[in-house]
Amino acid sequence: DQQVKQNSPSLSVQEGRISILNCDYTNSMFDYFLWYKKYPAEGPTFLISISSIKDKNEDGRFTVFLNKSAKHLSLHIVPSQPGDSAVYFCAATSNGQNFVFGPGTRLSVLP
Amino acid sequence: EPEVTQTPSHQVTQMGQEVILRCVPISNHLYFYWYRQILGQKVEFLVSFYNNEISEKSEIFDDQFSVERPDGSNFTLKIRSTKLEDSAMYFCASRRETGVYEQYFGPGTRLTVT
Repeated sequence: DQQVKQNSPSLSVQEGRISILNCDYTNSMFDYFLWYKKYPAEGPTFLISISSIKDKNEDGRFTVFLNKSAKHLSLHIVPSQPGDSAVYFCAATSNGQNFVFGPGTRLSVLP
Repeated sequence: EPEVTQTPSHQVTQMGQEVILRCVPISNHLYFYWYRQILGQKVEFLVSFYNNEISEKSEIFDDQFSVERPDGSNFTLKIRSTKLEDSAMYFCASRRETGVYEQYFGPGTRLTVT
């Protein structure tokens, strides 16, 4: 039962270019979405979030887009930097108690 | 900058033994969580805790699991009788207040059951 899907297990991008990470969800009750970054041997680190009442949220190099009708969100990183290389998790919640994580996408930013 | 801490970083135990994983959430946070990540798999929600009681728990969080906030600062996860399949990274997380959903995660405890 994959309520949150990240269909690309990995992504490679050249430094300076845009990284686009995608996430799809099936549960229409989800109303808040978050992106986390995770380095090996560390816990996930919060990056950016978006409420379902918005379709875009921007924070520096990171922008999250939400398409509710398609049940799809994406994280854009511009410009990509080598330090952005990590596993990125999309997460969703309907009540702030139970957060469902996607399987993650491993981003590699090549110098 | 305040952070969530977890101890121990690595715990090795024999099948059938009890383990307690400890977490110190950020001091002004009100909501507390435990997650696990089996090697190579996704992060899975176990339990959420608010106002000294469990708010929600997943199917994984069966009778072998319990949580406690014994002294207002620590938040613990107990597994009464460990199984091989309990081997995973266990992450504690906390968040500040109602309506603010960003969680802050600890570095994790790697539990190895032999």
